[in-house]
Amino acid sequence: EAGVTQFPSHSVIEKGQTVTLRCDPISGHDNLYWYRRVMGKEIKFLLHFVKESKQDESGMPNNRFLAERTGGTYSTLKVQPAELEDSGVYFCASSQGGRSYGYTFGSGTRLTVV
Amino acid sequence: AQSVTQLDSQVPVFEEAPVELRCNYSSSVSVYLFWYVQYPNQGLQLLLKYLSGSTLVESINGFEAEFNKSQTSFHLRKPSVHISDTAEYFCAVKWSSNTGKLIFGQGTTLQVKP
Repeated sequence: EAGVTQFPSHSVIEKGQTVTLRCDPISGHDNLYWYRRVMGKEIKFLLHFVKESKQDESGMPNNRFLAERTGGTYSTLKVQPAELEDSGVYFCASSQGGRSYGYTFGSGTRLTVV
Repeated sequence: AQSVTQLDSQVPVFEEAPVELRCNYSSSVSVYLFWYVQYPNQGLQLLLKYLSGSTLVESINGFEAEFNKSQTSFHLRKPSVHISDTAEYFCAVKWSSNTGKLIFGQGTTLQVKP
């Protein structure tokens, strides 16, 4: 089966611009998660979708970040306007649900804001 | 507060030597425990997980970890490392009170030298 796909793999943008990251989860996985790792720090949770609904968005840093999951399939994470501190690696993960906790991660998008 | 601590940011070791990567977490009440590995230029891959049952869990490539409830630890060990084990290792915890999100440690870079 195809894994979790994220694109772009790398993005370099200027401060103040907008960037949209995309995540395609494993087909049939209702749960989709976004995480971020800022350089030198731990991987931090951003938010959790169950199908198209936001289950937990307690980790979203501020209102410059907007996540959507149209139709419960792929998800996008938009940063508008981007700031220097938004630089990092953004990971997406999906899981089927239940108690197996089989989280599968994508390869990440490395975002650099200059 | 829920937190995960990996005390060692880098662990250098010679090939065929044993290694232990340490992981402690803040509370052992109903936790599920994970170790992920990130090889250079790749995404996060699940190495092993503890959900219930035997406190000693093993991976297919020779790593093992033991859930120690009293010490709130889940240290990762391997009796003999290979060059190919060079990677960054992340400990993660899911508390049952959380809907699904993982709390990660800061990561430990294992550097295996010939």
